[in-house]
Amino acid sequence: AQSVTQPDIHITVSEGASLELRCNYSYGATPYLFWYVQSPGQGLQLLLKYFSGDTLVQGIKGFEAEFKRSQSSFNLRKPSVHWSDAAEYFCAVAPGDRDDKIIFGKGTRLHILP
Amino acid sequence: NAGVTQTPKFQVLKTGQSMTLQCAQDMNHEYMSWYRQDPGMGLRLIHYSVGAGITDQGEVPNGYNVSRSTTEDFPLRLLSAAPSQTSVYFCASSYGGTGDQPQHFGDGTRLSIL
Repeated sequence: AQSVTQPDIHITVSEGASLELRCNYSYGATPYLFWYVQSPGQGLQLLLKYFSGDTLVQGIKGFEAEFKRSQSSFNLRKPSVHWSDAAEYFCAVAPGDRDDKIIFGKGTRLHILP
Repeated sequence: NAGVTQTPKFQVLKTGQSMTLQCAQDMNHEYMSWYRQDPGMGLRLIHYSVGAGITDQGEVPNGYNVSRSTTEDFPLRLLSAAPSQTSVYFCASSYGGTGDQPQHFGDGTRLSIL
């Protein structure tokens, strides 16, 4: 069965520092991969997605993610975080068949130190 | 363009009461879903619909009913509320199935069962 793991429940970084949030998936083929962000009291907003092609994907708000097939990973990165990036981040995996369901990771909460 | 609208935003119920969580979208999306979000659990799919008149169960359907009489609306009904249903509920919609399309989320309904 497909699954997605976000090994870090909480991460704290200083404002201006770089960020990497980890995501590993388990699936036989190459799935569709997503990162969503959830600000406090809000729903989830799509940051970026990977379907095929270039393994480095650019998203909104200065985020990027790199798909590494050999490591079954899809880590999210940002070169310099801002206080407004404090939120919860969810990695999600879908098999690519429109009739199958997306599976969400349990989330990583990002804290920003001033 | 309102996107996905959920009402109410907050609700407190007593055990055994029933209620309906409303969800409406104005993007003409055929696919709609209900999730619940609990601490440390990520998002879990309750029910989903691939179009008007068609619904199906997700990962955690027990205690919930849905219907889809129109493309725009996808209400979630709690038949007899239980404390275990205390959660934050999110409605989402997408143009196609969640397997190959990013989802648009509402801002959530925070439900407490006493």
